[in-house]
Amino acid sequence: DAGVIQSPRHEVTEMGQEVTLRCKPISGHNSLFWYRQTMMRGLELLIYFNNNVPIDDSGMPEDRFSAKMPNASFSTLKIQPSEPRDSAVYFCASSFQGYGNTIYFGEGSWLTVV
Amino acid sequence: AQSVTQLDSQVPVFEEAPVELRCNYSSSVSVYLFWYVQYPNQGLQLLLKYLSGSTLVKGINGFEAEFNKSQTSFHLRKPSVHISDTAEYFCAVSGGGKLSFGAGTTVTVRA
Repeated sequence: DAGVIQSPRHEVTEMGQEVTLRCKPISGHNSLFWYRQTMMRGLELLIYFNNNVPIDDSGMPEDRFSAKMPNASFSTLKIQPSEPRDSAVYFCASSFQGYGNTIYFGEGSWLTVV
Repeated sequence: AQSVTQLDSQVPVFEEAPVELRCNYSSSVSVYLFWYVQYPNQGLQLLLKYLSGSTLVKGINGFEAEFNKSQTSFHLRKPSVHISDTAEYFCAVSGGGKLSFGAGTTVTVRA
């Protein structure tokens, strides 16, 4: 199994630019999660999809953040416009049927906004 | 709502010594409990999980954890650590449709 695949692995962008992070979940998984990790705030759940439908987006910081899951094998997290405080590691994770089953994490997208 | 408190932010330990990482949770509903490990510059990997049944759970790499409902704890242990166990460890609790992570415990194993 290829695992959860994220791209890009590293991105450096200028403040104000649009950033798009991509995720391919494990085949057969129907739950997808976007997390953000920073030193100050630790791991935060941004949004949770089940069967391609957003179930809980209460963690999305503000309107600059948006996430989509057009099909079972692809999701994007977009930041527009980006700000330096968005610098973090963004993890995508997937599981079969939610939290009772193991959640598998990708390697992360390391975002630096300068 | 549920939450997790990891009682130690940093745990230095010598190689081949035992280690215990403490985790307390709070929840008003039945919970699932997890321990994840994050090696430097990598994503999180599941070490073990408690869903139901036996309160002593064995995981990968020689780790085990004990669920204690009366003390609302889920402490992680390993009897003898290796240099390769140097990593950050996260306790997590799920319930009511959410998964909450603790702040993490950094374990540094020294020779």
